[in-house]
Parts: sequence; structure tokens; C-alpha cells
Amino acid sequence: DIQMTQSPSTLSASVGDRVTITCRASQTINSWLAWYQQKPGKAPKLLIYKASTLESGVPSRFSGSESGTEFTLTISSLQPDDSATYYCQQYNSYLWTFGQGTKVEIK
Amino acid sequence: EAQLVESGGGLVEPGGSLRLSCTASGITFNYAWMNWVRQAPGKGLEWVGRIKSKTDGGTADYATPVKGRFTMSRDDSKNTLYLQMNSLKTEDTGVYYCTTQSGCSSGSCNWGQGTLVTVSS
Repeated sequence: DIQMTQSPSTLSASVGDRVTITCRASQTINSWLAWYQQKPGKAPKLLIYKASTLESGVPSRFSGSESGTEFTLTISSLQPDDSATYYCQQYNSYLWTFGQGTKVEIK
Repeated sequence: EAQLVESGGGLVEPGGSLRLSCTASGITFNYAWMNWVRQAPGKGLEWVGRIKSKTDGGTADYATPVKGRFTMSRDDSKNTLYLQMNSLKTEDTGVYYCTTQSGCSSGSCNWGQGTLVTVSS
């Protein structure tokens, strides 16, 4: 199984800060990496697919990048509505795996 | 617009059974590969299983923790996906979401609202 190691588990930042979340895959996943945002009591919402493509309707302050088996979600200017838990997911294999999640809190 | 609606969750004793349903609209269900993803209380997301479309063979694959206990099936005439859960354990407690990449550019953009399964005596 492909393991996804996500960090940090929590982060606290101020409105306007640049925020970075990292996910490392245990083997190559050929850019088949998605990022989701989940708010309490809600289903996950797709933000980024194919490592760096922004889903339609998602604010442009969200971006994704990759370097080998390391993937990054960046929020360029944190907004109050961005308070949520973020998950990476590999879908290179039919056996999807998710990162452990990063809870983003607003200071 | 795609809509997925899960139902069938509830309280069940350890060792018991439960069948979840997910009814889809706004997608071409008979061509869709469908997945179940679950989330234990306060925990992260865990893939449970996937069933292919019947045109692609209709077979299902499962995560190791549920293999041999859970069975996915589909009724394309009703646009409905099922998850039969047997020999339930307390660690199966959580919210179960159905999700599909059908209708999405890539990644899984369509999710249901989830249904809560509680396994407890």
C-alpha cells in the first residue's frame, strides 16, 4: 500500500499569512494527488487535483505543487473561512490512501 | 449537478450487520466507479472500497480492515450503491461517505453528506 505522510498535524496562523502543508508519498504516484478541505460535520471538498490543478470555483489563493514524491498545498493569504482540516489523497492506486490531516486554526 | 445521498446508518451491536445505501443523481451512474470512504469520530479519512461500473467488469476491491466482512454492490436501474456490512466491530464506528470521480475532471469532486454508523453494545 502507498503511505501518505502529511505534516504538520496542526498549525495556527494569522489572517493574511502564507501557509504551507506537505504530504510525502512512500512511492511514486505520478502526480495523482488531490487536496481536500473538510469543515466540521461536512463532507470533504476537492480543492486541487493532479497535484497542481485548481478545482473550478476554488479561490486562487490555494495552490498545489510537487517535487518527486513530496507535495505541497499553499494558501497564499490565509482567510477566516480557511479554518478547516486539510487532507492529501493519492489516487494513483485503486487503493486510495489519505494523509493524516492538517488542522488549520486562525490566531 | 451531481448529488449523492447516503442512508441506512444507525446503532448496531458488535457482530451485527447493517446495509448502507447511496442514491445518485446528476451523473451517469451506470458508468460510474463508486467508492465508500469512512471517518471515525475525531479521526481522518479512510478508504473502504470501490466498485467498478458493470461495463468495466463490476468488480469490487476493499481495504484490508474490511475485507471479508463488507460487500459493495450496485443497482444501476435504481442509481443506487450499497454497502453490506457484516460482523461489525466497534472500530467500524464512523461516518460513511459515498464518493465518485464521475463528472469530475480528476480527483473526487462528488461526495454525499455521510451517514453515521455506531457499533456499540
